[in-house]
Amino acid sequence: DIQMTQSPASLSASLGETVTIECLASEDIYSNLAWYQQKPGKSPQLLIYDASSLQDGVPSRFSGSESGTQYSLEINSLQSEDAATYFCQQHHDYPYTFGAGTKLELK
Amino acid sequence: EVQLVETGGGLVQPGNSLKLSCATSGFTFSTAWMNWIRQTPGKRLEWLAQIEDKSNNYFISYLESVKGRFTISRDDSKSSVYLQMNNLKEEDTAIYYCTWGSPFAYWGQGTLVTVSS
Repeated sequence: DIQMTQSPASLSASLGETVTIECLASEDIYSNLAWYQQKPGKSPQLLIYDASSLQDGVPSRFSGSESGTQYSLEINSLQSEDAATYFCQQHHDYPYTFGAGTKLELK
Repeated sequence: EVQLVETGGGLVQPGNSLKLSCATSGFTFSTAWMNWIRQTPGKRLEWLAQIEDKSNNYFISYLESVKGRFTISRDDSKSSVYLQMNNLKEEDTAIYYCTWGSPFAYWGQGTLVTVSS
């Protein structure tokens, strides 16, 4: 199975700041990487697919990038509504696997 | 509007069975590949199973650890997907979601399954 190592597990940032969350795949997943946002009590919501494509309706302050098997989610100009847990997921091969999540707290 | 609504969760004793249902609307279900995903109490997300559409002979894939205990199925006439879970274990305690899309663009609200004596 492809392992997705996500970091950090948690982070705290201020409004207006920029944060980066990373996921390292245990093997090449050919950009088949998605990012989800989950708020307490809600289902995960797709933010980015294919490493850098923004899902319809997602604000442009969210962006994704890749370098080899390292994938990153960047959130610019943090807003209060960005406080959530973020997950990466590879959709290259079965079984589809997720990172452990990053809890983002706003100061 | 795309909607997915899971039902069938609840409290069940270890070793027992449970069948989850997911009723959908707002998209062409007959050509959709459907998935079940669960989220553990520790918030870990785990993909469980996928069923493809008729054109792909309803091909099914499972997470190895649930193969033989869980069965995914669908009824295109009812736009619904199901997850039959047998010989449930305490570690199966989770919120169970059905999803559509690859990757998972649409999720239901989830149904809680608690396995406990």
